[in-house]
Amino acid sequence: QQQVKQSPQSLIVQKGGISIINCAYENTAFDYFPWYQQFPGKGPALLIAIRPDVSEKKEGRFTISFNKSAKQFSLHIMDSQPGDSATYFCAAVGSGGGADGLTFGKGTHLIIQP
Amino acid sequence: ETGVTQSPTHLIKTRGQQVTLRCSSQSGHNTVSWYQQALGQGPQFIFQYYREEENGRGNFPPRFSGLQFPNYSSELNVNALELDDSALYLCASSAQGAVETQYFGPGTRLLVL
Repeated sequence: QQQVKQSPQSLIVQKGGISIINCAYENTAFDYFPWYQQFPGKGPALLIAIRPDVSEKKEGRFTISFNKSAKQFSLHIMDSQPGDSATYFCAAVGSGGGADGLTFGKGTHLIIQP
Repeated sequence: ETGVTQSPTHLIKTRGQQVTLRCSSQSGHNTVSWYQQALGQGPQFIFQYYREEENGRGNFPPRFSGLQFPNYSSELNVNALELDDSALYLCASSAQGAVETQYFGPGTRLLVL
């Protein structure tokens, strides 16, 4: 049972454009929603995260939008750059300090064309 | 780069063998989690260790086991290897109760032939 559904599977965006990746979750006990960036041969790196008490969080060019009622959240990358080309994962975890582990989406392979 | 290190970087085993993977946590972190990432998939939670005891486990069979040592480093052991165990194994360390501090290591790539 996949508890976090991520789309699209792959995405091609022109340099300077906006990249948008969407995720939907099922478990209403989730209360922390991070996004990870992974380059080939590397482990996932935390990019930005949000808790459900806010609807949006922005850090530099990266923004998370969160819709609690729809159980959906998305990552927006503004002014996308070739260096942003990577695989992006959304994830979710419930309260409890992470003892039940992060539940990841299947990932989005993002390519930024120069 | 995070302070989480893993060894070895790559490993080749044959079906039925046993394997041990190692992880050193970031300074100040007392909790270690292990994940399995199959090719083209997101990481899947195997288990978490805190105070040298398993305190959370995902949907993995008992042949996946672990240890945590007093210095908070950890081992993942997999017995009776199967072809489907071929994956990137990721270790993540964090402070207890603070999943937002979780940082991943570079992983160990395991190939089972």
